[in-house]
Amino acid sequence: GIQVEQSPPDLILQEGANSTLRCNFSDSVNNLQWFHQNPWGQLINLFYIPSGTKQNGRLSATTVATERYSLLYISSSQTTDSGVYFCAVGGSGTYKYIFGTGTRLKVLA
Amino acid sequence: DTGVSQDPRHKITKRGQNVTFRCDPISEHNRLYWYRQTLGQGPEFLTYFQNEAQLEKSRLLSDRFSAERPKGSFSTLEIQRTEQGDSAMYLCASSAGTSGVRDEQFFGPGTRLTVL
Repeated sequence: GIQVEQSPPDLILQEGANSTLRCNFSDSVNNLQWFHQNPWGQLINLFYIPSGTKQNGRLSATTVATERYSLLYISSSQTTDSGVYFCAVGGSGTYKYIFGTGTRLKVLA
Repeated sequence: DTGVSQDPRHKITKRGQNVTFRCDPISEHNRLYWYRQTLGQGPEFLTYFQNEAQLEKSRLLSDRFSAERPKGSFSTLEIQRTEQGDSAMYLCASSAGTSGVRDEQFFGPGTRLTVL
């Protein structure tokens, strides 16, 4: 099955800093989402982005499907951005998602 | 609130007891998924339904686990003879299932199970 790797595993930033989170996957995908998991465990949809580039406020994402990676950019980070960021991918012939192990982000005031 | 809902939010049970969780998907979503997440890990797929048909099951779903979606709306996940290793967050997701292979999933708040 598809392997999903996220980097870095942990990230500590000062408020206002920018960051880039990476997701590599081992095979072609039909679906790809980025999620933010809050301290209560809720997975919040950030982007549905199997290809191309999207932006939403301080967040943007790019997926280069042919090279099998996706990037999540966080600009001007805030303490409320803290939490775990997951990349999840769905391959051909199935709708199930395979999740990476996440990037744990902590933003310091 | 028209998002995915799950009930209960927390469940504490003793080893050997049976538990049942409920998931209500977003209205008119055709696909419904169950995932399990243990501490420090990403969610792992358990099973999914297209309307009332269960189309895929993970090897993680042992004989003690059963899921149903009888009328193509809400779903239940039952764990029989619970074991301490079943302690986890159980997440439900739904998707519209109407756009070919493209399929954005929306997650509920989860049910956190603790087996003593």
